[in-house]
Amino acid sequence: RKEVEQDPGPFNVPEGATVAFNCTYSNSASQSFFWYRQDCRKEPKLLMSVYSSGNEDGRFTAQLNRASQYISLLIRDSKLSDSATYLCVVNPVNNAGNMLTFGGGTRLMVKP
Amino acid sequence: DADVTQTPRNRITKTGKRIMLECSQTKGHDRMYWYRQDPGLGLRLIYYSFDVKDINKGEISDGYSVSRQAQAKFSLSLESAIPNQTALYFCATSDRVGKGGNTDTQYFGPGTRLTVL
Repeated sequence: RKEVEQDPGPFNVPEGATVAFNCTYSNSASQSFFWYRQDCRKEPKLLMSVYSSGNEDGRFTAQLNRASQYISLLIRDSKLSDSATYLCVVNPVNNAGNMLTFGGGTRLMVKP
Repeated sequence: DADVTQTPRNRITKTGKRIMLECSQTKGHDRMYWYRQDPGLGLRLIYYSFDVKDINKGEISDGYSVSRQAQAKFSLSLESAIPNQTALYFCATSDRVGKGGNTDTQYFGPGTRLTVL
């Protein structure tokens, strides 16, 4: 079983739609969680951290469910520019800090 | 100017050749990392360095070596390239300025696309 699993997609949605991605992780002691965004043939960039209480940044909402070991990303009012691959990233607690485990990514395609 | 740069951006080489990928950063970060990305597998850690005198193997270090020449420079070498090392390689950096936990944001370079024939 992969440490961090995501549905690879693609998720094809029309502009203005709401779309949600889930990600599951296997290490129940994991401490830190993130969503990164990666455009085609580009480097990953941090989209947002995921806090236990959930957090929102504009049209993006991230939530953590420790009991079920999954995190989610909700995108409201999708824009064409949201088309990208979204990487779920986890820091297992037994690492010496900064050690990230990446999921394979979920590809989103927003269409006019 | 980009904070994390990688050279070359693209490279095609033959089996058995020695290849060096270079990474430089102007962010002043102590920590640097090398990853490879393959379709559907996500990024996998090859080597990491927490400071100039510290080098550690990652998940998939076999067939690779690294050198941390200075705080700002971290190079990855393939001593004898093989076709299954064809991948997209990313360098990343981080420092202790994150919030909400003990993990800091990692900043990635633009990547090097390596093809081994």
